Formats: sequence, structure tokens, C-alpha cells
Amino acid sequence: GNSVTQMEGPVTLSEEAFLTINCTYTATGYPSLFWYVQYPGEGLQLLLKATKADDKGSNKGFEATYRKETTSFHLEKGSVQVSDSAVYFCALIPIQGAQKLVFGQGTRLTINP
Amino acid sequence: DTEVTQTPKHLVMGMTNKKSLKCEQHMGHRAMYWYKQKAKKPPELMFVYSYEKLSINESVPSRFSPECPNSSLLNLHLHALQPEDSALYLCASSPYTRDYGYTFGSGTRLTVV
Repeated sequence: GNSVTQMEGPVTLSEEAFLTINCTYTATGYPSLFWYVQYPGEGLQLLLKATKADDKGSNKGFEATYRKETTSFHLEKGSVQVSDSAVYFCALIPIQGAQKLVFGQGTRLTINP
Repeated sequence: DTEVTQTPKHLVMGMTNKKSLKCEQHMGHRAMYWYKQKAKKPPELMFVYSYEKLSINESVPSRFSPECPNSSLLNLHLHALQPEDSALYLCASSPYTRDYGYTFGSGTRLTVV
């Protein structure tokens, strides 16, 4: 079946540190891949996406590259800010069957000043 | 308009009450979704409407009843809920293409007393 695995959280970093949140997936073919962010008390916002191998999604200083060979879509940011504190969800939509968004478990990120 | 609007933002209801959650989008999206999210967990899919027809019901108890009056509106009718149904209820919409992802509302925080 289709699944997404994210690194265990919570993750705590200092401001201006480099961020990596690992995400790997299991799916047939080339699913579409997404990162969503959820700030405290809010809904989910689409952060970035990639729809084919070697695509790089980017937004607000965050980047993720679709790696088919390692079935990964790791989220990175070069210098995090306190305002980046949130829960980050990696997700996919498979190429076959119903167009259901499949989420990872989420990674809680806290940035300290 | 690139938003999904949910009302109310907060709802407290007794176990014998009947209430409704509302969701609206004006992006011309043809699929709309209800999700339930418990604390520190990813959203769980409840229902999918595509082209105004119920296409997926993820074995949700009958005390939750969805309704899609038109392509812009989605309701979730609640009756005889249990305290364990307390959660954040999220609505989302998409153009029903796998490359786009979903647009989420900010959710309704439901407490059942």
C-alpha cells in the first residue's frame, strides 16, 4: 500500500540553524509529493510540492527534492527562524486509485531564539 | 479567492445536541473533503465528495452525516456525538488532479461534553 514515513520528533533547534526533516515514501510509480505545515491552532497550509522525479519544490526558504532512487522527499531550510515553529507533514497522492492524500505522522519543530 | 472558509471556528455541544459544520470554497474545485484531527496526530480522512457526489466514506459512524448542497458548499451534520469525537475538523478542497494538492480550511475545534 501507499505510506509515508517521517523522522521522529519533536525537533528543537536554535535560530539560524540548518534544518532537515526526513521523509520517505512507499508507493507505486511516481506519486505526487507534498509538504504541509500546521501552525498552532490553525489548519494545514501547502508549503511546497513536487510531481516528478528530480523536481525541486521550494517556498519561503524551504526546499525538497523528489528522489525516486531513494524514495525520499526531505525538507530542508538553511537558516530557521522562530516563526518556523510548527508541525510539518509530508504527504503523497498516489498515481493509481482514489486521489487520497496520504500523510506521514508529522514532525513537531520548535525553534528557540 | 484562494481560501477554504470553515464555520464556526469553535463549537461546544452536548451529547444530545444536533449541530452542523460548514465549509465553503470559491476556487472552482470539484472535490471537497472532511478530515478529523486529534492532538499530535495527522488528519484522518472521513469523507470525499467529487463532483458533488459522495465518493469515499471511510467507515465513519452514522452520527456524522455529510452533505454537499452544491459545488462550493460542504456541510457536516453532527448528532448524538461522544466525548471521544472531540477534535479539530478540517475541510479541504482540490481540483481533483493529483498534481495540485489540497487547500485546507482553518478548521472547527469541536468539544463534546
